[in-house]
Amino acid sequence: AQSVSQHNHHVILSEAASLELGCNYSYGGTVNLFWYVQYPGQHLQLLLKYFSGDPLVKGIKGFEAEFIKSKFSFNLRKPSVQWSDTAEYFCAVNAGNMLTFGGGTRLMVKP
Amino acid sequence: DTAVSQTPKYLVTQMGNDKSIKCEQNLGHDTMYWYKQDSKKFLKIMFSYNNKELIINETVPNRFSPKSPDKAHLNLHINSLELGDSAVYFCASSQGQGGIQYFGAGTRLSVL
Repeated sequence: AQSVSQHNHHVILSEAASLELGCNYSYGGTVNLFWYVQYPGQHLQLLLKYFSGDPLVKGIKGFEAEFIKSKFSFNLRKPSVQWSDTAEYFCAVNAGNMLTFGGGTRLMVKP
Repeated sequence: DTAVSQTPKYLVTQMGNDKSIKCEQNLGHDTMYWYKQDSKKFLKIMFSYNNKELIINETVPNRFSPKSPDKAHLNLHINSLELGDSAVYFCASSQGQGGIQYFGAGTRLSVL
């Protein structure tokens, strides 16, 4: 069965710091990859996705992610975080038509 | 217009009761899902329906029964509620089983 690991459970940053959240998955076949964000008290929203093509994908709010097939990774990055980025971030992998989520990373950005 | 809407948003009930959560999507999608998010924010799929047919049924107690009267609706009925059922339940929909999933706002269920 496929699995998704997010290495950082809690991340605390100051505003303007750079962000990188790790995501690794275990599945040998073709995958679709996603990052979702959940702001406090809200539903999940899609940040960005990778289906095929350029492995560096850009999403909303200045986020980007890089798919490295050889490492089974899809790490999320943002060069300069803002207080409003405080949220829970979920990596998800769709393989075999089932979306599997990682455990989430809680990001807190201090003003 | 809300794309994926769930009702109710909050549900507080006693152990042993039966309750339902409704979900509707107006995106024209053919696939709908129910997820459970526990207190540690871990999200796990429970069910998936494609064109009103059950296609994913993860290890979920028989007390949980999904019902899809049409492609735009997927309701979740829970019998004999237990304390461990307390969680946030999210509905989602997508076009095709591999498509981007759009989530509802969630239903916070508290079983006392």
